[in-house]
Amino acid sequence: AQKITQTQPGMFVQEKEAVTLDCTYDTSDQSYGLFWYKQPSSGEMIFLIYQGSYDEQNATEGRYSLNFQKARKSANLVISASQLGDSAMYFCAMREFTSGTYKYIFGTGTRLKVLA
Amino acid sequence: GAGVSQTPSNKVTEKGKYVELRCDPISGHTALYWYRQSLGQGPEFLIYFQGTGAADDSGLPNDRFFAVRPEGSVSTLKIQRTERGDSAVYLCASSPSGAATYEQYFGPGTRLTVT
Repeated sequence: AQKITQTQPGMFVQEKEAVTLDCTYDTSDQSYGLFWYKQPSSGEMIFLIYQGSYDEQNATEGRYSLNFQKARKSANLVISASQLGDSAMYFCAMREFTSGTYKYIFGTGTRLKVLA
Repeated sequence: GAGVSQTPSNKVTEKGKYVELRCDPISGHTALYWYRQSLGQGPEFLIYFQGTGAADDSGLPNDRFFAVRPEGSVSTLKIQRTERGDSAVYLCASSPSGAATYEQYFGPGTRLTVT
């Protein structure tokens, strides 16, 4: 079974609009972390936002917010006021502690295109 | 300060050859991860170092893949008898600690093409 599922292979959004990128996860651990990364065409992975499983409030970082619904095991990324530079691949990831080490598991990504 | 660097940025090799990919983490970062990213996929975990030792190598696909980090800083990913299926971008990431700090800092990757 997929540990991280991103069901939207591609998304379009109009500049200055908000967009939500979906992510669901599967884990039996009580303690875990959820991340979103941006990967522009240059290839570098850029950390955007982090949510710990015990954090009661949704994480926010500037125009990025993480809509964390623990019971549904979802961690959707919301980008407000989209900009042309937001066009990129976006990856959801989970950090688990398994077999004595931390391991990061990534989804297959969503390609976001911001339209002028 | 300097980020994570990886060399070479691109590597083309013939099937059956041996290759080495290098990762220079951020100075002082004790945790180092290698990932493989195939076209259209997310990064796939290969191996994790905490200091000099490989704390988790469960992601290495087979015994043709090996990685070292002899002095706890630079790491080299070694692939023997390369196959066309090994073609991918190999990403390296480091963090100050495997536990307390969650953020990973990624390098630009090495694009490996096996012909």
